[in-house]
Formats: sequence, structure tokens, C-alpha cells
Amino acid sequence: AQSVTQLGSHVSVSEGALVLLRCNYSSSVPPYLFWYVQYPNQGLQLLLKYTSAATLVKGINGFEAEFKKSETSFHLTKPSAHMSDAAEYFCAVRYGNNRLAFGKGNQVVVIP
Amino acid sequence: NAGVTQTPKFRVLKTGQSMTLLCAQDMNHEYMYWYRQDPGMGLRLIHYSVGEGTTAKGEVPDGYNVSRLKKQNFLLGLESAAPSQTSVYFCASSTGSYNYGYTFGSGTRLTVV
Repeated sequence: AQSVTQLGSHVSVSEGALVLLRCNYSSSVPPYLFWYVQYPNQGLQLLLKYTSAATLVKGINGFEAEFKKSETSFHLTKPSAHMSDAAEYFCAVRYGNNRLAFGKGNQVVVIP
Repeated sequence: NAGVTQTPKFRVLKTGQSMTLLCAQDMNHEYMYWYRQDPGMGLRLIHYSVGEGTTAKGEVPDGYNVSRLKKQNFLLGLESAAPSQTSVYFCASSTGSYNYGYTFGSGTRLTVV
């Protein structure tokens, strides 16, 4: 069965520093992978998606992710954190009947 | 604005009461989903629908029922609420295309006392 692992429920990063959120997936077929962001008291918004067209995927707000099949990973990065990046981030993998399996999320705190 | 609308946004229920959460989308999406979000658990799929008149169980369906009588609406029912159903509930919709993400509603915060 498809699943996603996100380690470290809370991630603290200094303003201007690199943001790195790790996602490892388990899938028996070529995966479709997604990163979503959730701001306080809001629904989830799509940050970016991997659909096999390119291994380095660029998303909104300066985020990008690299698909590495050999490592079964899809880590999310942003070179320089901004205060507005404080949010919860979820990695997800698609499986049968167009369902998404989500990781447990990373709560990102940006320190001024 | 086009999107997914959930009503109500907040609700407090007493144990044993029933209620229905409504999800409406105006994007003509075939697929609709109900998830619950709990701290440290991520999002877990309750029920989903692949088209009008269809429903299917997800990962955590016990205690919930759903209906999709109209393509644009997906209703989630709690027949006899329990404190364990205290959660934030999100509805989402999708075209069904594998390279298309979900569009999420803004959520319903439900407390069962």
C-alpha cells in the first residue's frame, strides 16, 4: 500500500535560512507526489506536484522539491525562509481511485 | 469565487446527537472526499465518491455515513456523535486526472462534548 513518512513534527528555522522538509514514500507503482501547505485556520493549498515530467519540481512561493527514485524521497526545500512560511506542510502520494495518502505533517516555525 | 464550500464552519454537539456536514463544489469535479485532521495524525480519509450516486469507505469510516445525490454536493453524517469524533473535517474535490491535485474546503471544526 502507498504511504508517506514525514519525520519531525515541528521544524524551527531562522528567517533567511534554508527550509528542508523530508518526505519518503512507499509505492508499488510509479508515484504521483504532492506537497500541500496549510496556513492557520485554513484549508490545504497545493504547493507543487511530481507527475513524472521532471525530477526537480518548482512550486509557488519559492519552494521546490526533487524526486529521487533510488531514495524513494521527495524532499521540499526553500533557499531562504520568510516569516510568511510559518505553516504546516503535508506530503502526499496518490493511490487507487485517485485517493491521496498524507503524511503526518511538519509544523514550520520561523524564528526572526 | 469557484471552489469548495463547507458548512457549517464550527459546531458543538453533545454525545449522541446527530448532524450533517455539507460540502458543495462548483467546478464540475467528479471525485469528492471527506478527511478528518487530528493533531499529529495528518489527514485521514473517511469516505469518498467517484461520481454522482457513488460512495466508498476510506481509512476511518466507522461512525460516519455519506451521500452524493447530486454531483456538486457531498454530505457527511454523524448518526450518534462521540467525543472521539472531535476533529477538523475537510472536504476536497478533484477531476480524477492523476496529475491534478485536490481543491480543499476551509474545514469544519467539530467538538463533541
